[in-house]
Amino acid sequence: AQKITQTQPGMFVQEKEAVTLDCTYDTSDPSYGLFWYKQPSSGEMIFLIYQGSYDQQNATEGRYSLNFQKARKSANLVISASQLGDSAMYFCAMGNTGNQFYFGTGTSLTVIP
Amino acid sequence: EPEVTQTPSHQVTQMGQEVILRCVPISNHLYFYWYRQILGQKVEFLVSFYNNEISEKSEIFDDQFSVERPDGSNFTLKIRSTKLEDSAMYFCASRQVAKNIQYFGAGTRLSVL
Repeated sequence: AQKITQTQPGMFVQEKEAVTLDCTYDTSDPSYGLFWYKQPSSGEMIFLIYQGSYDQQNATEGRYSLNFQKARKSANLVISASQLGDSAMYFCAMGNTGNQFYFGTGTSLTVIP
Repeated sequence: EPEVTQTPSHQVTQMGQEVILRCVPISNHLYFYWYRQILGQKVEFLVSFYNNEISEKSEIFDDQFSVERPDGSNFTLKIRSTKLEDSAMYFCASRQVAKNIQYFGAGTRLSVL
């Protein structure tokens, strides 16, 4: 069975500091992708970053990086130099050879000025 | 930048009524999806659609639900007889064949009274 776990319901970070949002996953499929989405209070789901299970290097997209530890089945999101606009819900998701994505329960991030 | 467009942004309906939620996927994408997110909960997969047919569906997607691609640009989700528990945010997503990144629309908030 596929499962995504986000154990941090809420996180706070000081503006300009870095923050790590945790995500662990479980799958028996050897080929899968891991994704992070941002959901601001307006409700839309914004794609942030993708990591393939066979990728040798950790994915980076601007201030976002994904700390992929395959043996530990973790795919933590690191946001560097936090900005007030980063305050939102963050969802980790996994997609494999099937079609659907499996989402975690999300982490609410609040950036403090 | 191309985006997935969903209309309406908010739909209010009476229990037992039919609703159609509309989506215009990104133009060169061939896989289409519907997800729902009950308030405060995680995003749940409903159905995926490829080559004019359903490729995968969840147990949520029962006989009350149907999807259609009525023309070359629109992708619709119909709920035949809405129930109170259908109240949720409904997201449409699409992706390219070669790239397993799903891009989401801004969602339609469905309120069943």
